[in-house]
Amino acid sequence: AQSVTQPDIHITVSEGASLELRCNYSYGATPYLFWYVQSPGQGLQLLLKYFSGDTLVQGIKGFEAEFKRSQSSFNLRKPSVHWSDAAEYFCAVASYGGSQGNLIFGKGTKLSVKP
Amino acid sequence: EADIYQTPRYLVIGTGKKITLECSQTMGHDKMYWYQQDPGMELHLIHYSYGVNSTEKGDLSSESTVSRIRTEHFPLTLESARPSHTSQYLCASSEPRRYRGGGNTIYFGEGSWLTVV
Repeated sequence: AQSVTQPDIHITVSEGASLELRCNYSYGATPYLFWYVQSPGQGLQLLLKYFSGDTLVQGIKGFEAEFKRSQSSFNLRKPSVHWSDAAEYFCAVASYGGSQGNLIFGKGTKLSVKP
Repeated sequence: EADIYQTPRYLVIGTGKKITLECSQTMGHDKMYWYQQDPGMELHLIHYSYGVNSTEKGDLSSESTVSRIRTEHFPLTLESARPSHTSQYLCASSEPRRYRGGGNTIYFGEGSWLTVV
């Protein structure tokens, strides 16, 4: 069965520092991978997605993610974090078996930003 | 970006009441979803629909029901609310797989926070 693991429950970084959020997936075929961000009391906003092609994908708000098939990873990165980036980040994989494209989410990583 | 609207955003109701959470999208997406998310936890799929007159159970069992009479509308109903139903409910819709290289991007509404007292 497909699954997504986000090893870090909570990460704190200083404003201006670089950020990397880890995501590992388990999927038999080529996965469709997503990163979403959720601010407190809000829904999920799509940051970026990987379907095929270039393994380094650019998203909104200065985020990027790199798909590494050999490591089954899709880590999210940002070179310089802003205080407004404090939120919860969810990695997800789209299943294309019986669930017909439904997303499977990781448990999320909460990002705190120190001034 | 898809436009998905959920109402109410916040609702506090008493045990035993019937409630309906509304969800509408204006992008003409065929597929729609309901996810449930407890505070600080991951999202779980509770219902989805391929299109009009289609409803399916998701991965997480739920006492709620859904209907899909119109493409743009996918309401979720709890016939008799209980405190265990307290959660955030997120509606979503997705583009057809034939678009954008076959991907299945899912867009979310802002969520409905339900508290049952």
